[in-house]
Amino acid sequence: KQEVTQIPAALSVPEGENLVLNCSFTDSAIYNLQWFRQDPGKGLTSLLLIQSSQREQTSGRLNASLDKSSGRSTLYIAASQPGDSATYLCAAEEGGSNYKLTFGKGTLLTVNP
Amino acid sequence: DVKVTQSSRYLVKRTGEKVFLECVQDMDHENMFWYRQDPGLGLRLIYFSYDVKMKEKGDIPEGYSVSREKKERFSLILESASTNQTSMYLCASSLFQGTTDTQYFGPGTRLTVL
Repeated sequence: KQEVTQIPAALSVPEGENLVLNCSFTDSAIYNLQWFRQDPGKGLTSLLLIQSSQREQTSGRLNASLDKSSGRSTLYIAASQPGDSATYLCAAEEGGSNYKLTFGKGTLLTVNP
Repeated sequence: DVKVTQSSRYLVKRTGEKVFLECVQDMDHENMFWYRQDPGLGLRLIYFSYDVKMKEKGDIPEGYSVSREKKERFSLILESASTNQTSMYLCASSLFQGTTDTQYFGPGTRLTVL
């Protein structure tokens, strides 16, 4: 059974800092790896999706990487802003699962002005 | 933009009541999902549907049922609500299998069972 772990559970940084969020998964037979953002009391918003054949994806100040062989993904946020404060979740989609996602428990990011 | 709406943001029900949570998507997506989210446990899949009238159990289907009579609407039913079903419920939708499209989430329904 796929297990997804995110470290750290919480992170507090000053504005302007570059930061890395980590995600690890136990079963490397994934279809893709996705990163989501969740604001307090709200639903999830998709940030980046990395297909299993890709190594990374970029969107603005965000860069996500995927290393299937080691079972790891990272989300890099450049020049962090207070508006980046949220919970970030990663999710692994199982191959042949008809789109079943297994989520990590998230990293709560606080960017201080 | 894809829009996924849920019938209520907040809901308070009593133990033993039958509860309906409704989800509607406007992008003609084949797949629809119901999750619950609890502190310390993360998101867990309850049920999903890949077509009208088709459904599959997720990781925690006990105590729940679902209905999908129309492509755009997916309902989660708590046949007899219990206090351990107090949670945040999230609905999501996505395109058909074989694409790399992501899941799009609704705003969530925070259900409290007293």
